[in-house]
Amino acid sequence: AQSVTQPDIHITVSEGASLELRCNYSYGATPYLFWYVQSPGQGLQLLLKYFSGDTLVQGIKGFEAEFKRSQSSFNLRKPSVHWSDAAEYFCAVGGNNFNKFYFGSGTKLNVKP
Amino acid sequence: NAGVTQTPKFQVLKTGQSMTLQCAQDMNHNSMYWYRQDPGMGLRLIYYSASEGTTDKGEVPNGYNVSRLNKREFSLRLESAAPSQTSVYFCASSDVQETQYFGPGTRLLVL
Repeated sequence: AQSVTQPDIHITVSEGASLELRCNYSYGATPYLFWYVQSPGQGLQLLLKYFSGDTLVQGIKGFEAEFKRSQSSFNLRKPSVHWSDAAEYFCAVGGNNFNKFYFGSGTKLNVKP
Repeated sequence: NAGVTQTPKFQVLKTGQSMTLQCAQDMNHNSMYWYRQDPGMGLRLIYYSASEGTTDKGEVPNGYNVSRLNKREFSLRLESAAPSQTSVYFCASSDVQETQYFGPGTRLLVL
């Protein structure tokens, strides 16, 4: 069955520290992978996506993610976190059928001054 | 270019009342979606529309109906609201590469 697992519900990091948010997926075909960010009371904004090619993808706001097929993972990273990065982050997987699009349960990021 | 817009932003209903959530996109996307977001559960797909004139059920369709009015608009109707439908509802549309763009959401409280 297709699914997305984000094992960390809450993460707290200090401003300026590095960040890695984990995402594991189960998908029966070649996956399309996405990371979205949601600020409080807002909709979801696309951070980055992976369809094919280079397994390290760059996104907006200084984020990057690496696709590791052998580990079924697509972890999100940022070298130095800013206070404005505090939000909830969602990993999602889909394929070439739009109805097969699954979201993880989200990771809430808190940033300490 | 407003992207995806949703109305209303917030609504309170009594059990048994009906209402329609409106969604419109100005990106000329073929596909549109309705999700609900509940704490700790991520987003769950209610209905989707691959193109104008077609709609299909997603993961949690019970208690909802949809209408793809034209290419721009996709509405979600609750015929008889229940407290279990208290949630935040998001509309999205997608381009040919399946990247979904989301509206700001509608917060619904059913008493």
